Amino acid sequence: AAGVIQSPRHLIKEKRETATLKCYPIPRHDTVYWYQQGPGQDPQFLISFYEKMQSDKGSIPDRFSAQQFSDYHSELNMSSLELGDSALYFCASSSLAGPNTGELFFGEGSRLTVL
Amino acid sequence: GEDVEQSLFLSVREGDSSVINCTYTDSSSTYLYWYKQEPGAGLQLLTYIFSNMDMKQDQRLTVLLNKKDKHLSLRIADTQTGDSAIYFCAEIPGYSSASKIIFGSGTRLSIRP
Repeated sequence: AAGVIQSPRHLIKEKRETATLKCYPIPRHDTVYWYQQGPGQDPQFLISFYEKMQSDKGSIPDRFSAQQFSDYHSELNMSSLELGDSALYFCASSSLAGPNTGELFFGEGSRLTVL
Repeated sequence: GEDVEQSLFLSVREGDSSVINCTYTDSSSTYLYWYKQEPGAGLQLLTYIFSNMDMKQDQRLTVLLNKKDKHLSLRIADTQTGDSAIYFCAEIPGYSSASKIIFGSGTRLSIRP
């Protein structure tokens, strides 16, 4: 079965640079979530989209922005990168219309290293 | 996560059963989850339980839910080396959307030969 696809899997940037992460949800999933997981920490919710509209916002810095496109894929844009942005960034998808509306499926994550 | 608590480490012998415990905070949580994270990998949904259930069994996995004590446990029977990972307990409080999911700090399971 198709899973959540994230790219790139690994990314190395320098401070003050910009990075873009992409997420392709499971087909027919209408909701996408972004999480940030620092070293040794649990995932923290950043932002979510439902039907291409922002549905919820968590601890996302102002330097970050995200959007969901017409094909339901989502991109997380991070600017003015700081060392503390080094983390594993997860995308997850779910379907609010499906039988198991509580299920959240995660991608493998994109590991961002800021030097 | 500060509201979902788990012990940080668990070490078991290969072939034994592993029991990972979790306490959560919101008695109205509808969904309670167990995720597995292998080194450098993503979060894999292992199993979940609805709040109106006491137990759920899926092959080697057994989830027990004690709503009175807000206690959730994951039992892995016949633990194998491939079970080495961090296991996250998670809840979605009340009738919130999945964006409100709260993770525990994770329990690192290591297997002794």
